[in-house]
Amino acid sequence: EDKVVQSPLSLVVHEGDTVTLNCSYEVTNFRSLLWYKQEKKAPTFLFMLTSSGIEKKSGRLSSILDKKELFSILNITATQTGDSAVYLCAVVQGSSNTGKLIFGQGTTLQVKP
Amino acid sequence: NAGVMQNPRHLVRRRGQEARLRCSPMKGHSHVYWYRQLPEEGLKFMVYLQKENIIDESGMPKERFSAEFPKEGPSILRIQQVVRGDSAAYFCASSAGRGATSSISTDTQYFGPGTRLTVL
Repeated sequence: EDKVVQSPLSLVVHEGDTVTLNCSYEVTNFRSLLWYKQEKKAPTFLFMLTSSGIEKKSGRLSSILDKKELFSILNITATQTGDSAVYLCAVVQGSSNTGKLIFGQGTTLQVKP
Repeated sequence: NAGVMQNPRHLVRRRGQEARLRCSPMKGHSHVYWYRQLPEEGLKFMVYLQKENIIDESGMPKERFSAEFPKEGPSILRIQQVVRGDSAAYFCASSAGRGATSSISTDTQYFGPGTRLTVL
């Protein structure tokens, strides 16, 4: 069965800390991996990763994919209270005619002042 | 605002009633996906549609649920004879699909704000 597993499920840190969120997957017909941030509304897109070893960066956030070991990490440096959210990892599965996302359970991050 | 639009944002129904959820994709997007998020659970794929076609409905419950994306107008997720277990947040996402000229891969799905369905 296809699955995406995130760890840890929840995390509490203080402002300024660096966090690493993990996502492992076992999905047939892997196409790409996406990270989203979900506050009390729609998941907002962060990164899309398709190739191993190429780091994507956006400000204090960065992510990398390892297609050999089937995992991805999301790093957040110098965390701020505004980073508090649920971080979702999702794998795009399928042929070029489909593109459904298989989501992990999410990691709930709480950043304390 | 060219983002994905969903309405209503909140919907309350009594058991046995029908629920209709609407989704207008991002401008220029022709692919629509519906996901359901049950309390304390992750997002689960339901159905993938292009204009006038259902491409993948492997995540749809076999009964009471249907979806459409007509040539004109929004995509509709319809739930007949709702039960309490249908209470959830329903999210719609859209993507550019094949033939897109954007530099962002067509795999990227952008989500709407969701419809929170409560069945009494």
